Amino acid sequence: KAGVTQTPRYLIKTRGQQVTLSCSPISGHRSVSWYQQTPGQGLQFLFEYFSETQRNKGNFPGRFSGRQFSNSRSEMNVSTLELGDSALYLCASSSGQFGRNTEAFFGQGTRLTVV
Amino acid sequence: AQSVTQPDIHITVSEGASLELRCNYSYGATPYLFWYVQSPGQGLQLLLKYFSGDTLVQGIKGFEAEFKRSQSSFNLRKPSVHWSDAAEYFCAVGKTSYDKVIFGPGTSLSVIP
Repeated sequence: KAGVTQTPRYLIKTRGQQVTLSCSPISGHRSVSWYQQTPGQGLQFLFEYFSETQRNKGNFPGRFSGRQFSNSRSEMNVSTLELGDSALYLCASSSGQFGRNTEAFFGQGTRLTVV
Repeated sequence: AQSVTQPDIHITVSEGASLELRCNYSYGATPYLFWYVQSPGQGLQLLLKYFSGDTLVQGIKGFEAEFKRSQSSFNLRKPSVHWSDAAEYFCAVGKTSYDKVIFGPGTSLSVIP
């Protein structure tokens, strides 16, 4: 069974640009959660999607958005990039709502560097 | 406010020694509890989880954790550490009123050969 696939693995962007990250969950999983990981703030929840609907959102500005497609693949978009957006972005796949009734499986992450 | 604390930022142990990583949470009801491990540059791998039932849970790689309701703790243990266990360990709490999983700050484990 294939795991969670995140693409690309590494990205370098310039301040002010926008970026789109992709996550393909485990086959059959309908929930995708996104986390931002930085040395100073640790793992912070961005949002969770289930069956194409956003179920929960963390405390991030509106520049961070996401969506989920009918095949459960999810994309995360960050517009008007700031230096502070440099981080490892992790996608987590689960069969149900992560933390309420199931565990999640994480991808290897996308390392975003904003210069 | 609901929170997860991991009191030890960094721990160093000798290979073959026993290990205990501490995790405390602040939450009114019995939460769902997880331990994840992260190797450098990698994503998180689930070690074990507690949803209900037996308070001592077994995980992968020889790890176990014990849920103690009276102490609001979910400490991770391993009887004999291997050099490959060196990594970052995260405790996480689910079923919170925020309806999202909250991760602790992590404990970095170094293993001396």
